[in-house]
Amino acid sequence: DQQVKQNSPSLSVQEGRISILNCDYTNSMFDYFLWYKKYPAEGPTFLISISSIKDKNEDGRFTVFLNKSAKHLSLHIVPSQPGDSAVYFCAAIWSNDYKLSFGAGTTVTVRA
Amino acid sequence: EAGVAQSPRYKIIEKRQSVAFWCNPISGHATLYWYQQILGQGPKLLIQFQNNGVVDDSQLPKDRFSAERLKGVDSTLKIQPAKLEDSAVYLCASSSQGMTEAFFGQGTRLTVV
Repeated sequence: DQQVKQNSPSLSVQEGRISILNCDYTNSMFDYFLWYKKYPAEGPTFLISISSIKDKNEDGRFTVFLNKSAKHLSLHIVPSQPGDSAVYFCAAIWSNDYKLSFGAGTTVTVRA
Repeated sequence: EAGVAQSPRYKIIEKRQSVAFWCNPISGHATLYWYQQILGQGPKLLIQFQNNGVVDDSQLPKDRFSAERLKGVDSTLKIQPAKLEDSAVYLCASSSQGMTEAFFGQGTRLTVV
């Protein structure tokens, strides 16, 4: 039962351009959404989050947008840098049980 | 602040053998998670503890997997007997009570041959 879906397994972008990662969810009970970044041989690290009462959250080069009616969120990275090359996981949580559900991930490659 | 510690980092075993993983969460974090990440997939929750009680173990294959969190701190995850399809990275994460952000350890990469 895949409640969080990332339909693009990979994304290649030129350095300096925008990276847009997409995520869809099916469970309307989710009230908090997170993005994690993962380098090879390391655990996922928290990147940015958004509450369901907001539609946008910005932190430096990273912005997350939430469209509740469409059950869709996206992560924008502007400008993309070589160090951004990693796997990005979308995750969702229901504050009633704090159980994190993850998408399958999107591998981002930033080309010089 | 020390992060989530896991050991071992890597483990290779033969099928039908047993294996155990250890996790030490961030000090004071009440919630502890064990995830299984198969190559090319997202992390799948195996079990979630709140202090030393189990909150959710609905996706834990209980015929072969077991986990415990004694005294609400460290946790161990055991597989007995292992199958080839158990080859994966096992991630431990912890979070402070009421917090949505979970912090992950580096994981244990298990290869079953």
